[in-house]
Amino acid sequence: GDSVTQTEGPVTLSEGTSLTVNCSYETKQYPTLFWYVQYPGEGPQLLFKVPKANEKGSNRGFEATYNKEATSFHLQKASVQESDSAVYYCALSETNNNAGAKLTFGGGTRLTVRP
Amino acid sequence: EAAVTQSPRSKVAVTGGKVTLSCHQTNNHDYMYWYRQDTGHGLRLIHYSYVADSTEKGDIPDGYKASRPSQENFSLILELASLSQTAVYFCASSWAGGREQYFGPGTRLTVL
Repeated sequence: GDSVTQTEGPVTLSEGTSLTVNCSYETKQYPTLFWYVQYPGEGPQLLFKVPKANEKGSNRGFEATYNKEATSFHLQKASVQESDSAVYYCALSETNNNAGAKLTFGGGTRLTVRP
Repeated sequence: EAAVTQSPRSKVAVTGGKVTLSCHQTNNHDYMYWYRQDTGHGLRLIHYSYVADSTEKGDIPDGYKASRPSQENFSLILELASLSQTAVYFCASSWAGGREQYFGPGTRLTVL
């Protein structure tokens, strides 16, 4: 079956430093890739998605490129803020399945940004 | 206004007891999902549904049942709650042709 592996947390950074959260995936299909963010006490919310290989997604200064050859989708941000402290999930959705938008999630990476 | 709501937001149950978690969505989505969240495991799919009165098994369905009485409502039922079912449970919805899911705020379940 499908699987997603991402950087194990927790990750602690100082404000203004750069962030990379690694994400690798395995699937036999042609997935859409996602990054979700979860703030304390809330459900996960979509950060952005990329449906096609070799394309880049971005939102709120975060970005990731869908690298089909390397089966990777690493999340990056040049300069993190304290408000970015959250848990980040990489996920994939198969293009052809009977479960609609069935998602497979990575284990999550908890980011803490110190002021 | 929140489009996916869950109730209760937290619950303490006794081992062997019955627990029902409820989810309501106003997104007019066809698909609804139940996940559990455990530290280190991310979110794992328990059951899902793509039409009222029908449910499907997800990746970890054992010990859980689901009910979809209407497009808007989706329940997760633990007939005999066990300690191992202590977790945070999330409901989500999506439209048929889309890929992204929209999550509720979660229910924290503690089984003692």
